[in-house]
Amino acid sequence: QKEVEQNSGPLSVPEGAIASLNCTYSDRGSQSFFWYRQYSGKSPELIMFIYSNGDKEDGRFTAQLNKASQYVSLLIRDSQPSDSATYLCAVKGTGGFKTIFGAGTRLFVKA
Amino acid sequence: GAVVSQHPSRVICKSGTSVKIECRSLDFQATTMFWYRQFPKQSLMLMATSNEGSKATYEQGVEKDKFLINHASLTLSTLTVTSAHPEDSSFYICSAREGSDWTIAFFGQGTRLTVV
Repeated sequence: QKEVEQNSGPLSVPEGAIASLNCTYSDRGSQSFFWYRQYSGKSPELIMFIYSNGDKEDGRFTAQLNKASQYVSLLIRDSQPSDSATYLCAVKGTGGFKTIFGAGTRLFVKA
Repeated sequence: GAVVSQHPSRVICKSGTSVKIECRSLDFQATTMFWYRQFPKQSLMLMATSNEGSKATYEQGVEKDKFLINHASLTLSTLTVTSAHPEDSSFYICSAREGSDWTIAFFGQGTRLTVV
């Protein structure tokens, strides 16, 4: 089992819709969870981080964390073509030393 | 967020030569820097972790004699790919953080290495 799992996609949504990206992790002791956006040929850019169970909202983005289910998600409201990218889920495991990245989900927002 | 600058952004080298990649933290002191490698359509794979003034810790399967890491100051870490071969062609990305294990690390722009 991979430590951080994401559906590779592509996930295709129409412009203006809600895009829902999901991630599961195996280390039950994980404390910190991150979502990065990566455009083709570029390095990852931090979008959000979340530490506590529940929802965290920042503009059009909402991160949701459920530690009991070992599940973290990212919702993008009012999706725009510029949101088309690969979204990487990252988890800091027990001890907080190393960050493990998922393989990423490719999102395509159709104009 | 904090600024991490990586240079060069793109490099092409001949097989057998060495290439040095620099990673600088511009507005903070990076006590820890991480080096990642990313092959096309794959996720970031951590290669090594370096703390200022000490030897880097390499991940399993990463050859420390091939990928030389120097973190001589709090704002600069370098990765040297020695005797590069075509299979070393990849996207190399550094990230840096200030302070404890729980602070957020920021990524550099990445370096596209092509070995011909």
